[in-house]
Amino acid sequence: EVQLLESGGGLVQPGGSLRLSCAASGFSFNRYWIHWVRQVPGKGLLWVSRINSDGTITTYADSAKGRFTISRDNAKNTVYLEMNSLRAEDTAVYYCTRPVNPSGYNDDWFEPWGQGTLVTVSS
Amino acid sequence: QSVLTQPPSVSGAPGQGVTISCTGSSSNIGAGSDVHWYQHFPGTAPKVLIYGNSHRPSGVPDRFSGSKSGTSASLAISGLQAEDEADYYCQSYDRSLSCWLFGGGTKLTVL
Repeated sequence: EVQLLESGGGLVQPGGSLRLSCAASGFSFNRYWIHWVRQVPGKGLLWVSRINSDGTITTYADSAKGRFTISRDNAKNTVYLEMNSLRAEDTAVYYCTRPVNPSGYNDDWFEPWGQGTLVTVSS
Repeated sequence: QSVLTQPPSVSGAPGQGVTISCTGSSSNIGAGSDVHWYQHFPGTAPKVLIYGNSHRPSGVPDRFSGSKSGTSASLAISGLQAEDEADYYCQSYDRSLSCWLFGGGTKLTVL
């Protein structure tokens, strides 16, 4: 079964840092792009970042540029999202997901998704 | 604020039908980017309901259908059932912003 499992969320103070992990199983992890998407409580989904199959290409939403860093370890089938200078508005459930095809075609849909990990930025 | 606009909520009685709209712009839906729809039960992983504007993955009932025209798309749900009560999101790629967009989500209530 194709699965993604996020971890690493928690409570952090404004200005602090947190590293999220996304562990994959059930598919050829080193062939796929991986994306992070977040959902602010009570709000919609917002795309955050993506990384290509070998980790050489990364892209970020404007809200994440300069503060978040996405990386991957294909030996561990894991993608990471390092989040620095966290703000209250970064409070959200963070999901990792995968385009349905390994090509990285922009029009692909996302499937599967993980269950999400909650990040709370508060003093 | 989402660049894809959805109504915050829709409702219908069991057996009835509802339609959820998703309005974009000339840089995403209107530029030819595909629209996908997800069903999301809070606390669980979102799941694709419609992909490529109008295609249903295997296992999704034919009560769910999608369409696209111009800068908008729609998700239609017929024969409402209690288990359809969830949040629904549209998604498309924006060619100007070079990022993936989601709608603000629509909460479906089955009365």
